[in-house]
Amino acid sequence: NAGVTQTPKFQVLKTGQSMTLQCAQDMNHEYMSWYRQDPGMGLRLIHYSVGAGITDQGEVPNGYNVSRSTTEDFPLRLLSAAPSQTSVYFCASSSRVSGANVLTFGAGSRLTVL
Amino acid sequence: AQKITQTQPGMFVQEKEAVTLDCTYDTSDQSYGLFWYKQPSSGEMIFLIYQGSYDEQNATEGRYSLNFQKARKSANLVISASQLGDSAMYFCAMRFYPSGNTPLVFGKGTRLSVIA
Repeated sequence: NAGVTQTPKFQVLKTGQSMTLQCAQDMNHEYMSWYRQDPGMGLRLIHYSVGAGITDQGEVPNGYNVSRSTTEDFPLRLLSAAPSQTSVYFCASSSRVSGANVLTFGAGSRLTVL
Repeated sequence: AQKITQTQPGMFVQEKEAVTLDCTYDTSDQSYGLFWYKQPSSGEMIFLIYQGSYDEQNATEGRYSLNFQKARKSANLVISASQLGDSAMYFCAMRFYPSGNTPLVFGKGTRLSVIA
């Protein structure tokens, strides 16, 4: 049981490049989400999904796209990377979005945009 | 908008002593859940404890307890008998239920340093 798997762990991009952060979970969780973590800012929600085919924006969605074609996968796309997107990105999932259901986090992906 | 506030950017505690990490929240909803997560220097997010807004007793998990004061809108984490391994970032988070599919909102965190 791998839990939540994020790839890559580290990535360096140049301004304007595009890339996709991959997130996969093998727990049959309905809910998946992406957060970014910046020093002194805590974790801020980028996008989330409550099931396949359903996505919604979080607090800081600009510059990011997501899709949820399967229950297992929730990729985060940066279409044109900017230095402001330098951050650590976490994918997290839970069985449902309500109640005491605990978010399980991936190990994080550190992105640097030059 | 719902908001989580952690007012202590950093805290120090002597090994074996207890420490309280503060968390206040702002909501008009009656139904919500409170979570605490630990993030050690290795970076992973570790769930510690959960408290529901209708739970009458404060949640406890081993050395962790949640001092829930609903009228004051506070959900402080108490760590008893601190250990060196407790040195980490600690995040308070909330989920608001009435609107259904509501995600987890995090505070900015408190960095705890345990001194030998």
